[in-house]
Amino acid sequence: AQSVTQLDSQVPVFEEAPVELRCNYSSSVSVYLFWYVQYPNQGLQLLLKYLSGSTLVKGINGFEAEFNKSQTSFHLRKPSVHISDTAEYFCAVRNRDDKIIFGKGTRLHILP
Amino acid sequence: KAGVTQTPRYLIKTRGQQVTLSCSPISGHRSVSWYQQTPGQGLQFLFEYFSETQRNKGNFPGRFSGRQFSNSRSEMNVSTLELGDSALYLCASGQGAIYGYTFGSGTRLTVV
Repeated sequence: AQSVTQLDSQVPVFEEAPVELRCNYSSSVSVYLFWYVQYPNQGLQLLLKYLSGSTLVKGINGFEAEFNKSQTSFHLRKPSVHISDTAEYFCAVRNRDDKIIFGKGTRLHILP
Repeated sequence: KAGVTQTPRYLIKTRGQQVTLSCSPISGHRSVSWYQQTPGQGLQFLFEYFSETQRNKGNFPGRFSGRQFSNSRSEMNVSTLELGDSALYLCASGQGAIYGYTFGSGTRLTVV
């Protein structure tokens, strides 16, 4: 079964510093990968997705992610974070049954 | 356009009762998925409906059920509530998993 592993449950980073949130997936078939963000007391919002083509995917709010098939990774990056980026971030994969399976999430803490 | 609307936002129920949650998807979206979110288990897939038919089901007991109406609105029902059912229940609508989902703000269910 396909699964998603987010290696860090929490990531603290100083404001205006770069950040990388790590995600690894397991799959034996072609994958569709997603990153979602959840702000406090809200639902999830799609940040970006990889379906095919260029391995570097750009999303909203200055985030980007790189699909690496050999390392089965889909890490999320932002060159300079802002206090408003404080949220929980979820990596997800579409499995062969067309379900979206989510990782456990990574809480991003922005330090002043 | 209007987003995904979930009602009610908050619910407090007693063990043994039943509850019905409602979700109105984005206009034109025929797929509605439900997820349970808890601190310990993260986001777990409950079921997906597409054009009034259940297309996918997660690993939840039969106490959890759902349905979709001809206007794509969906309801989920939980019977014989247990303390462990306390969670944020999220509804997501879309045109298919590869396009990504749009989530509602959720219904926070507390079972006492």
